[in-house]
Amino acid sequence: DIQMTQSPSAISASVGDRVTITCRASQGINNYLAWFQQKPGKVPRRLIYGTFTLERGVPSRFSGSGSGTEFTLTISSLLRDDFATYYCLQHNDYPWTFGQGTTVE
Amino acid sequence: DVRLVESGGDLVQPGRSLTLSCSASGFDFAKNAVTWVRQAPGAGLEWVGLIRSNTYGATTEYATSVKGRFTFSRDDSKSVAYLQMDSLRTEDTAVYYCSSIRYFEQWGQGTRVTVSS
Repeated sequence: DIQMTQSPSAISASVGDRVTITCRASQGINNYLAWFQQKPGKVPRRLIYGTFTLERGVPSRFSGSGSGTEFTLTISSLLRDDFATYYCLQHNDYPWTFGQGTTVE
Repeated sequence: DVRLVESGGDLVQPGRSLTLSCSASGFDFAKNAVTWVRQAPGAGLEWVGLIRSNTYGATTEYATSVKGRFTFSRDDSKSVAYLQMDSLRTEDTAVYYCSSIRYFEQWGQGTRVTVSS
C-alpha cells in the first residue's frame, strides 16, 4: 500500500495567516492527490482533486500544488471558517490511502 | 435534493456480521461508483473501498485491512449500496460513511458501528 505522510500533525494559526500543509507519498502517484476538510462532528468535504483543481464552491484562498511524491495544500489567508482537520488522499493506486490528518487550530 | 443516507449501524460482538446500507436519491445512482470511508473514534479517515457502476461491471476495490471480510454490493433498482461486514473485529469500530458522484462529491451523514463483547 502507498503510505501518505502529512506534516505537521497540527498547526497553531491565527486568522489572516498563510497556512501550508505537506503530504508525502511513499511512491509516485501521478498527481492523483486530493485534499479534504473535516470540521468537528461534520462530514468530510473534498476541496481539491488532481493536485490542483478546486471543487466547485471552494474559495480561491485554497490552492494545491506538487508533483511526484510531495504535495502541498495552501490557505493563503486563514479565515475563522477554515479551522478544521485536513486530509490528503492518493487515488492513483488501489487501495487508496489517506494521510493521518493535519489539524489547524 | 441530492442525498445519501447510511443505515444499519449497531453494536455487535467480535466475529459477528453486520450489513450497512447506503440509500441514494436526487441523482443518477446507477451511473456512479459508491465509495466507503470510515473513521474510528478520535482518529482520521480510512478509505474502506468502492464499488463501481454496473457499466464497469460493479467491480470492487478494498482496503487491505478489510479485504476478504467486507463485501460491497449494489441494487440500482432501489438506488442502494450495501456493505456486508463479516468476522468483525474491535478495530472495525468506526463511523462508516458512503459517498458518491465523482467518488466524493456527495456524502452521507455516517452510521456508527461498534464492535465489542
